[in-house]
Amino acid sequence: DAKTTQPTSMDCAEGRAANLPCNHSTISGNEYVYWYRQIHSQGPQYIIHGLKNNETNEMASLIITEDRKSSTLILPHATLRDTAVYYCIVRADSVNDYKLSFGAGTTVTVRA
Amino acid sequence: EAGVAQSPRYKIIEKRQSVAFWCNPISGHATLYWYQQILGQGPKLLIQFQNNGVVDDSQLPKDRFSAERLKGVDSTLKIQPAKLEDSAVYLCASSRWSGVGRYNSPLHFGNGTRLTVT
Repeated sequence: DAKTTQPTSMDCAEGRAANLPCNHSTISGNEYVYWYRQIHSQGPQYIIHGLKNNETNEMASLIITEDRKSSTLILPHATLRDTAVYYCIVRADSVNDYKLSFGAGTTVTVRA
Repeated sequence: EAGVAQSPRYKIIEKRQSVAFWCNPISGHATLYWYQQILGQGPKLLIQFQNNGVVDDSQLPKDRFSAERLKGVDSTLKIQPAKLEDSAVYLCASSRWSGVGRYNSPLHFGNGTRLTVT
């Protein structure tokens, strides 16, 4: 799997948009960008994934650059319950390798 | 739909003892994963099943860890004998089978079993 680079931590204000960056400069053509988050004492929670087009669901938006070397997860209106570790993961869509490998993630703290 | 169920939620054992964890995946999910998460780190994949067959166990310490998935549904992960460094949260996840040529359905995780080895 291609490796990703994320900031170690970031703060954001409640009610404001939170923009979480991720670099994946060695991503391959058949690799998707996945985002998960892990709230304290819970298992990781799936947020969103995409290949090359921007994606949006009820939780977040995913913006992938045209060259696919980086992406941004956007939480449109952060709440205190969004405080968590956020993982950006590159995952292959191949019969030989489709495991989900986690890095250290970004610790996001939403402040009132 | 019901989520991934894991038990027990917490377990404390002494080193050299044995322990087992149980996982019930989401109904209909063909793929099941066990992850180990040491405090302060991201989860690390231990083993991956497709139905009741092992797809990847390259990170499983096979001298002490074992896992099985009978009938392609529930799974158990066992450690025997436990070491101090096995203290971690053990997470189970499952995903549905997307069909031939598609392998990247999202994983859904349980809340894990927190193991403390003293």
